[in-house]
Amino acid sequence: EAGVAQSPRYKIIEKRQSVAFWCNPISGHATLYWYQQILGQGPKLLIQFQNNGVVDDSQLPKDRFSAERLKGVDSTLKIQPAKLEDSAVYLCASSPGTGTFSPLHFGNGTRLTVT
Amino acid sequence: KQEVTQIPAALSVPEGENLVLNCSFTDSAIYNLQWFRQDPGKGLTSLLLIQSSQREQTSGRLNASLDKSSGRSTLYIAASQPGDSATYLCAVKQGGSEKLVFGKGMKLTVNP
Repeated sequence: EAGVAQSPRYKIIEKRQSVAFWCNPISGHATLYWYQQILGQGPKLLIQFQNNGVVDDSQLPKDRFSAERLKGVDSTLKIQPAKLEDSAVYLCASSPGTGTFSPLHFGNGTRLTVT
Repeated sequence: KQEVTQIPAALSVPEGENLVLNCSFTDSAIYNLQWFRQDPGKGLTSLLLIQSSQREQTSGRLNASLDKSSGRSTLYIAASQPGDSATYLCAVKQGGSEKLVFGKGMKLTVNP
């Protein structure tokens, strides 16, 4: 089966600019996650979707970050305007559903550098 | 609030050693615990998932155990190889919220 696809792989922008990341989950996976991983840290959940709906966005900086999942498939994550501290790897993951046996499958991530 | 800890942050060993990687968590109300591997510049690869009702899972040279009551999990790597060099992360899936909470990871280097 094809894995989780993310693009772009790398992005360099100046602070105050905007940027968008795209994710295509594994076919049939209902749950989609966006994580932020700062260098040397474990991934931190930004937002979780169940089909079209948002399940958890408690750690999403909503004044600058936004995310959507159209038709319950692809998702985009946007940052506007970017800050230096947003430099990180943004990981998308998907899982078949929820509950005790729903392993997460991750994409390769997008490495964002804000200068 | 769930906290996941991995100690030590880094480990360097000679090839062939049997390894023990530790993970501890503060809230035992979990659905499952998952061990991941992350190579430089890559995403996370799932290694093993242990459901909250299970005690251990095995895959090849890897064995993961879970002691939910004490808030601990251990990943055993038998006969380590240079190709095992990577960062290993554990994550717990919170009951109720479905949130996956990660540790900071442990960077393993296996020297030939």
